[in-house]
Amino acid sequence: QKEVEQNSGPLSVPEGAIASLNCTYSDRVSQSFFWYRQYSGKSPELIMSIYSNGDKEDGRFTAQLNKASQYVSLLIRDSQPSDSATYLCATPGGSYIPTFGRGTSLIVHP
Amino acid sequence: GAGVSQSPRYKVAKRGQDVALRCDPISGHVSLFWYQQALGQGPEFLTYFQNEAQLDKSGLPSDRFFAERPEGSVSTLKIQRTQQEDSAVYLCASSPGQGGYNEQFFGPGTRLTVL
Repeated sequence: QKEVEQNSGPLSVPEGAIASLNCTYSDRVSQSFFWYRQYSGKSPELIMSIYSNGDKEDGRFTAQLNKASQYVSLLIRDSQPSDSATYLCATPGGSYIPTFGRGTSLIVHP
Repeated sequence: GAGVSQSPRYKVAKRGQDVALRCDPISGHVSLFWYQQALGQGPEFLTYFQNEAQLDKSGLPSDRFFAERPEGSVSTLKIQRTQQEDSAVYLCASSPGQGGYNEQFFGPGTRLTVL
């Protein structure tokens, strides 16, 4: 049984701070990892994808992958109230079927 | 180009009724996924199509659930004899590549409420 674990939160950070969202996964052969953002009542939208160990930066977002520790994280710099949403971690693991975590709720307060 | 669309956006059914949920993926996308999302949870996989072939239906909760994609584009998820536990948001996602190795583009979802 593939598992993707996320702390459900909520994670509350002040505006302008760095938000750090974490995800662990159980399938050691996982190669592709995705972070989706889901606003309340809306559908998920892709924020970042990462395939290799290390960091990948895109604007205010940085994804970090450590396959040895089976850990992937998302950092959001200069957090804005508009970043308040649920962030979903997903990986297909060794199959082609994506497994999603339950998501971490992020609240950025002014 | 248009994104993924789903209809209806909201559906209220009486227990025991049959429902049909439609998904229009992005044109040319090979892969199509159906998910069920309960409140406070991540999307749970239901079934996967590669073009018109249903390659995996292991996530369908019971034989009351049936999905098809006969021409490799539009897909329909049918639920027979709906039960209260079927109440959830049903998400459709399409992807240009095979399987879940690439970005998925989600539709707005259909919120099903079974009374």
